[in-house]
Amino acid sequence: QVQLVQSGAEVKKPGASVKVACKASGYAISDYGFTWVRQAPGQGFEWMGWIGPDIGNIKYEQKFQGRVTMTTDTSTGTAYMELRSLRFDDTAIYFCARVDRFGFSAFDYWGQGTLVTVS
Amino acid sequence: EIVLTQSPATLSLSPGERATLSCRASQGISSNYLAWYQQKPGQAPRLLIYGASSRATGIPDRFSGSGSGTDFTLTISRLEAEDFAVYYCQQYGASPRTFGQGAKVEI
Repeated sequence: QVQLVQSGAEVKKPGASVKVACKASGYAISDYGFTWVRQAPGQGFEWMGWIGPDIGNIKYEQKFQGRVTMTTDTSTGTAYMELRSLRFDDTAIYFCARVDRFGFSAFDYWGQGTLVTVS
Repeated sequence: EIVLTQSPATLSLSPGERATLSCRASQGISSNYLAWYQQKPGQAPRLLIYGASSRATGIPDRFSGSGSGTDFTLTISRLEAEDFAVYYCQQYGASPRTFGQGAKVEI
């Protein structure tokens, strides 16, 4: 069955970086992309961007341009999201989710979320 | 960016009743690229509906979606205990992808 398993919770100081992992299993990651979404405590969702399986298929939300990098390691089936220059308001649960290879699909499977606390 | 406004913010109902949730977009959503998710406390969202009206794998048929353009609806025909949760609409036809603010269905 399709599963996305994320890395554990992180506590970081302002100005530091965090890298969240999302390991996929149960399907061929070469056929799908990954998207990243965050949810601040008690708040709604904020889309950060997506990365497709084809070279060059990557789009970051403008708000995060210059601070975020999304990558995929096809050898391990793992996607990564690195966020730099952390601020207090980056404290949130970060989710990865699966999308189709073109990024134009609903988010059909989600990781369990990774709490990143900036303190 | 496309702003999605959900109403009502909270719906207080009893098991067995019908729930109707609305999602209005600030501009038309191309190809009806509108999804609905359910989220329970401490959990990741679960996809219920995509393409405005198609049920995701394993979703019971008491969940249905309808609408087009700027107005969309999620209907739960007969609420069961496990349906009390927060529901979000989301558009995936334009960047940035955006979500509604959520609607809580409570007992």
